[in-house]
Amino acid sequence: NAGVTQTPKFQVLKTGQSMTLQCAQDMNHNSMYWYRQDPGMGLRLIYYSASEGTTDKGEVPNGYNVSRLNKREFSLRLESAAPSQTSVYFCATAWRRGDTEAFFGQGTRLTVV
Amino acid sequence: GQQVMQIPQYQHVQEGEDFTTYCNSSTTLSNIQWYKQRPGGHPVFLIQLVKSGEVKKQKRLTFQFGEAKKNSSLHITATQTTDVGTYFCAGTRGSTLGRLYFGRGTQLTVWP
Repeated sequence: NAGVTQTPKFQVLKTGQSMTLQCAQDMNHNSMYWYRQDPGMGLRLIYYSASEGTTDKGEVPNGYNVSRLNKREFSLRLESAAPSQTSVYFCATAWRRGDTEAFFGQGTRLTVV
Repeated sequence: GQQVMQIPQYQHVQEGEDFTTYCNSSTTLSNIQWYKQRPGGHPVFLIQLVKSGEVKKQKRLTFQFGEAKKNSSLHITATQTTDVGTYFCAGTRGSTLGRLYFGRGTQLTVWP
């Protein structure tokens, strides 16, 4: 029972490169989230998916796209990475949107040079 | 802008002292959750408060939700070195129930 699994754990990109961060959960949760964490800024919501087949923008969606591939998987894509996207990215899941506890993955530390 | 404000940003205490972090929202929240993140780790859920004026305790931790459901606090009695980490509050609003708005966190350091 792995919970919430994020891949990769670390990544270095050059400006302009693209990549996809993967998130998979085996908790049968309906809602999935992508956050970024920057020093002193807390956790800011990029995109979320309240249920399979739906996605919505969060606070800081610019420069990102998401895909809720199925109930288990929610991916985050950077089409053209910029240094401002250097951050730690967390995927989280919850049984139901907003009013049940969220479980976080281990995080992906992304550096864009 | 920041939907949920949290203060202080940093707190340094000596082991055995008490610690409090405060969370405020300009709008009414449907619920408030608290998370702890150890250095280098990921946020871990501590508790959820839903009712106006609700108070919950977990050993040395006391959580409160304000009467107007716009503010919350976390109080730790007699801190220990194991309490080190960043404490986040996170709230949801009825109009955007899918979004969990996080405060910026309070980073707690405990001197032995």
